[in-house]
Amino acid sequence: SQQGEEDPQALSIQEGENATMNCSYKTSINNLQWYRQNSGRGLVHLILIRSNEREKHSGRLRVTLDTSKKSSSLLITASRAADTASYFCATEYSGGGADGLTFGKGTHLIIQP
Amino acid sequence: GAVVSQHPSRVICKSGTSVKIECRSLDFQATTMFWYRQFPKQSLMLMATSNEGSKATYEQGVEKDKFLINHASLTLSTLTVTSAHPEDSSFYICSAREGGRNTEAFFGQGTRLTVV
Repeated sequence: SQQGEEDPQALSIQEGENATMNCSYKTSINNLQWYRQNSGRGLVHLILIRSNEREKHSGRLRVTLDTSKKSSSLLITASRAADTASYFCATEYSGGGADGLTFGKGTHLIIQP
Repeated sequence: GAVVSQHPSRVICKSGTSVKIECRSLDFQATTMFWYRQFPKQSLMLMATSNEGSKATYEQGVEKDKFLINHASLTLSTLTVTSAHPEDSSFYICSAREGGRNTEAFFGQGTRLTVV
């Protein structure tokens, strides 16, 4: 399976600023999911956006999906120090047979207090 | 969200021994569970898909005789790393879906395996 790409690979911003991360993928998908991972820990599910959706919100998070460009973005508004983590996008392939998620390489986000 | 518990969180074993990792869905039944592997500062790679009551489906390049997967019930899947070698040292993470495809996948806390 092909991995997606997130950019930037690393992002450092000041607390209170907004953080935007992008994700591109290569196949047709059922959905795209964003996850957060703190160093050496498991993944926390943030948002799932389906292929027929264009935008979803959850608290300070906003996710967009552009299936024509095969890309998604995650916006974290009013960032906090606790948002420091790695963020991954993951896609579920829409074709038959293949199951599981294909992960991007992740964006390491650092929020400076 | 739904809770997936993985145990142990850390394990150190000697080369040649086997290690079993458990993945449980605590508050839902998971027909399908997944096992991933993550190397330091890298992304997650799917190893296998585990379906309750049937054989696991392994991704290309994953040795099924080395990474034994058992999904004996709707709430438990196990991954056994057999005859472990230092190159098997990695972070292993399981995930489970409460529903079928196109639903959220929830992840366990991961297991840091070190083979010495």
